[in-house]
Amino acid sequence: DTAVSQTPKYLVTQMGNDKSIKCEQNLGHDTMYWYKQDSKKFLKIMFSYNNKELIINETVPNRFSPKSPDKAHLNLHINSLELGDSAVYFCASSLGSKTYEQYFGPGTRLTVT
Amino acid sequence: AQSVTQLDSQVPVFEEAPVELRCNYSSSVSVYLFWYVQYPNQGLQLLLKYLSGSTLVKGINGFEAEFNKSQTSFHLRKPSVHISDTAEYFCAESGGTGGFKTIFGAGTRLFVKA
Repeated sequence: DTAVSQTPKYLVTQMGNDKSIKCEQNLGHDTMYWYKQDSKKFLKIMFSYNNKELIINETVPNRFSPKSPDKAHLNLHINSLELGDSAVYFCASSLGSKTYEQYFGPGTRLTVT
Repeated sequence: AQSVTQLDSQVPVFEEAPVELRCNYSSSVSVYLFWYVQYPNQGLQLLLKYLSGSTLVKGINGFEAEFNKSQTSFHLRKPSVHISDTAEYFCAESGGTGGFKTIFGAGTRLFVKA
């Protein structure tokens, strides 16, 4: 059973397009996250939701918009894609925050051409 | 601001040798510390965590880490590495002054040679 799943695994698209990445967790966790990992493996938090409420909203372009339809899902929509958006995007979830470890999805490799 | 510093970007080591991956955290208040491992083309998975109590924490795959408050360090160790330990290792901190955020270090690439 996959704990945290993401679709698609690979996404190749052209500049200016709009795309979405979906994330689902079946662990019963109430907190979910989106991270961006660049080519140097640096991991940067983008957003976090707790019980469908946005609790972390880092300084990311407003072209990025998260949406949490329920506790088990957190999607990421990106408008007007740019070359610099190319990265691996990871979804994660945790039972709570701070003291609880995060469970990561397999990642979505986004390539913007 | 909260920060996590991993002092080595790459650590090459021969198989069956011991290894230490170094991590320093910045927070002066109570923090929770984690080590994650990322194998190629995969997401991160937890190796071990320190919340409170004993300063020596044992994790999966024979790894352990020691919390040292006076040196604000949380170094990861393994007495004998295997080829399969080749991966990226991330130290992370939560709690502190960062609120809900978990702050990750830049990662250390462990490369185990035969």
